[in-house]
Amino acid sequence: GNSVTQMEGPVTLSEEAFLTINCTYTATGYPSLFWYVQYPGEGLQLLLKATKADDKGSNKGFEATYRKETTSFHLEKGSVQVSDSAVYFCALSPLSSNTGKLIFGQGTTLQVKP
Amino acid sequence: KAGVTQTPRYLIKTRGQQVTLSCSPISGHRSVSWYQQTPGQGLQFLFEYFSETQRNKGNFPGRFSGRQFSNSRSEMNVSTLELGDSALYLCASSLSPAGNQPQHFGDGTRLSIL
Repeated sequence: GNSVTQMEGPVTLSEEAFLTINCTYTATGYPSLFWYVQYPGEGLQLLLKATKADDKGSNKGFEATYRKETTSFHLEKGSVQVSDSAVYFCALSPLSSNTGKLIFGQGTTLQVKP
Repeated sequence: KAGVTQTPRYLIKTRGQQVTLSCSPISGHRSVSWYQQTPGQGLQFLFEYFSETQRNKGNFPGRFSGRQFSNSRSEMNVSTLELGDSALYLCASSLSPAGNQPQHFGDGTRLSIL
């Protein structure tokens, strides 16, 4: 079946450090891949997406590249800020023309200290 | 452009009661999905609606049901509430149910069962 595995948190970094949050997936065919972020007391916000192999999604300094050969979609940011502290979710939408159903990883908590 | 609106934000119920949660999607979005978020199980898909039809259903008991109206607004209902139904219920909307369409989430309804 379809599944998403993320690195366990929490991840604690100092401000301006480099961030990597690993995400790997299991799916049939070529799913669409997403990163969402959740701040305390809020819903999920779409951070970036990629819909085919070798696509790079980017937004607000965050990047992730769809790697079909390694079934991965790792999230990176060159210099984190305190305001990036949140929970990050990797998700996939199975290849299908009639569903937007998302399958989520377990989430990774990021804490950035000044 | 207004985002996804979920009402109410907080609910407290007792075991055995029933509850109805409401979701108003982004204007123009016709697909609505519901997710349950708990610390133990993470984010789990409940169901997806498009053009007033349920397109997809997750692995939840029949106590969980939903519907979508002609204006794309959606409601979900949980009957005979159990302690384990305590969760954050998130609604998401998208233009269509295609897998490459990003889902836009509301801030959720926090349901607590006493």
